Amino acid sequence: GAVVSQHPSRVICKSGTSVKIECRSLDFQATTMFWYRQFPKQSLMLMATSNEGSKATYEQGVEKDKFLINHASLTLSTLTVTSAHPEDSSFYICSARGTTNYGYTFGSGTRLTVV
Amino acid sequence: TQLLEQSPQFLSIQEGENLTVYCNSSSVFSSLQWYRQEPGEGPVLLVTVVTGGEVKKLKRLTFQFGDARKDSSLHITAAQPGDTGLYLCAGPGANSKLTFGKGITLSVRP
Repeated sequence: GAVVSQHPSRVICKSGTSVKIECRSLDFQATTMFWYRQFPKQSLMLMATSNEGSKATYEQGVEKDKFLINHASLTLSTLTVTSAHPEDSSFYICSARGTTNYGYTFGSGTRLTVV
Repeated sequence: TQLLEQSPQFLSIQEGENLTVYCNSSSVFSSLQWYRQEPGEGPVLLVTVVTGGEVKKLKRLTFQFGDARKDSSLHITAAQPGDTGLYLCAGPGANSKLTFGKGITLSVRP
């Protein structure tokens, strides 16, 4: 089946630094990538949608200059949290969609802790 | 905006009990998906229902899609501690974005 590999699974960074999270589709071409944020015991909140080779579309309230998304190839998308602050600490999850009708494949998530 | 409401929000039951949880909307969805998520992991797809009235079974889990494609239910028979987790329903909206419900936190006590 379709697999999305997300790295790192956990990262701790100092306030003010930047962190990059990668999502790779291992056995299919991800025409669309979705990035979510999830707080403890809550559902997934969509941050942005990216199509390969295009600029990402951000949801209302999400700062595009803070959460930089790159989707340069059909198998790789990255989310960079710039100038991270403690309030950015959260669980970030990517999801990739290929060319099948209903297929959304999720990564295993990245636990970001900003200290 | 298509909203999905899940109920109950929290459920704690004893091993061996049966349970039914719900996912409701005022909007029609072309399909609905159910996911289970464990702490520190991404959601894992359980099932996709597409046809109104459809019933799908996955071992002890039975999923039903409403006739009008606005709601879905998940029934678990003889729940086990391994069923513990966050159950999310989701449906595709504009631009293929998935709309998620707020989730149902299920705890099955041994």
